[in-house]
Amino acid sequence: NAGVTQTPKFRILKIGQSMTLQCTQDMNHNYMYWYRQDPGMGLKLIYYSVGAGITDKGEVPNGYNVSRSTTEDFPLRLELAAPSQTSVYFCASSRGQGASGNTIYFGEGSWLTVV
Amino acid sequence: GNSVTQMEGPVTLSEEAFLTINCTYTATGYPSLFWYVQYPGEGLQLLLKATKADDKGSNKGFEATYRKETTSFHLEKGSVQVSDSAVYFCALSDQAGNTGKLIFGQGTTLQVKP
Repeated sequence: NAGVTQTPKFRILKIGQSMTLQCTQDMNHNYMYWYRQDPGMGLKLIYYSVGAGITDKGEVPNGYNVSRSTTEDFPLRLELAAPSQTSVYFCASSRGQGASGNTIYFGEGSWLTVV
Repeated sequence: GNSVTQMEGPVTLSEEAFLTINCTYTATGYPSLFWYVQYPGEGLQLLLKATKADDKGSNKGFEATYRKETTSFHLEKGSVQVSDSAVYFCALSDQAGNTGKLIFGQGTTLQVKP
């Protein structure tokens, strides 16, 4: 009963380091998303993908990169970590377009601190 | 652009009290509306949804009605429990480009005391 799985759950990075947040889903969903959640704020979309090989920017893409080589996996890369990227990151997926009411399923989140 | 506004929290209630969390939205077209719940240390879970005007979503005793005339989707529960303590997010689907992205409100923290 895996659903959307993210790793790592917690990570501390130094300024300028790079890292990749892994995300995989076992529901054969076409749509995948990365959101960040800052304290007291709602979630902001970083990047999304509508299928393997297709990615696009969301509201707050700067400082991040993504790839979607398979249906299952949607890793998020931080190239040069900055304190402003301290946040909780959520990966999500949906079978079809959320606009039509398709449920979006979220992972448990990855807590990232940049010091 | 599209946006969602929720009432400020935290909301503190006693067990068995009536709950209302207000949510209003601004959107073009006819978005779907959602309530997500986030329990401490966990990811977001879909609580309920409504896909067209006058629809009522309901789940676990919570309900919300899609009111197009007032652009609202207020969350209600008749009798809250301690286990309902969580952060509640109102969201709408952004239909621009048909990508199905969600736009979230800032979240409302609910604390229920025994």
